[in-house]
Amino acid sequence: DGGITQSPKYLFRKEGQNVTLSCEQNLNHDAMYWYRQDPGQGLRLIYYSQIVNDFQKGDIAEGYSVSREKKESFPLTVTSAQKNPTAFYLCASSPSQGGELFFGEGSRLTVL
Amino acid sequence: GENVEQHPSTLSVQEGDSAVIKCTYSDSASNYFPWYKQELGKRPQLIIDIRSNVGEKKDQRIAVTLNKTAKHFSLHITETQPEDSAVYFCAASRGSLQGAQKLVFGQGTRLTINP
Repeated sequence: DGGITQSPKYLFRKEGQNVTLSCEQNLNHDAMYWYRQDPGQGLRLIYYSQIVNDFQKGDIAEGYSVSREKKESFPLTVTSAQKNPTAFYLCASSPSQGGELFFGEGSRLTVL
Repeated sequence: GENVEQHPSTLSVQEGDSAVIKCTYSDSASNYFPWYKQELGKRPQLIIDIRSNVGEKKDQRIAVTLNKTAKHFSLHITETQPEDSAVYFCAASRGSLQGAQKLVFGQGTRLTINP
């Protein structure tokens, strides 16, 4: 079954801890993205990657880090430097010819 | 950078009526304008998109119109049905036909269809 898998679906962490969200895709897409969704603010781009071993900052990259060691995987680390990490995080991918973004089901992070 | 404003934030219509959601963008170089639908508890999914070389595109009950001069685009849903209830997001990018799409999204519109 092709698609994008995010894990975990729900995550609780204490303030000051780093946390890594997983994103895996088997669509053979070159580009991958991380978005943050907050109520009333739409989706805001955190990081994106066009190819393996390359990634670019989006509009709200501060306090986050990513890696792209494999085409299928694009994990996001929410660091302790992120001032307001509680949010819903969406991973997406798109084919090399551009166009539609395919989203995962999201990960909801709550920092206590 | 690009800024996308979306209105209204909430919209309630009677089943069978039409719904219109409007977005404005700031970057005149933007040329790709998709609309995504997010049902409650589900992932966003593309419902229709338009590129700047056309002014209107239709797909059954949904249509998108684009006014490049005024830098705004709109989503039109006719003959609304209960399953149209969702949050709708517009987006814009300097989309090329290759590489990553750096989309900037609007704030979203929660559409409710009343039976």
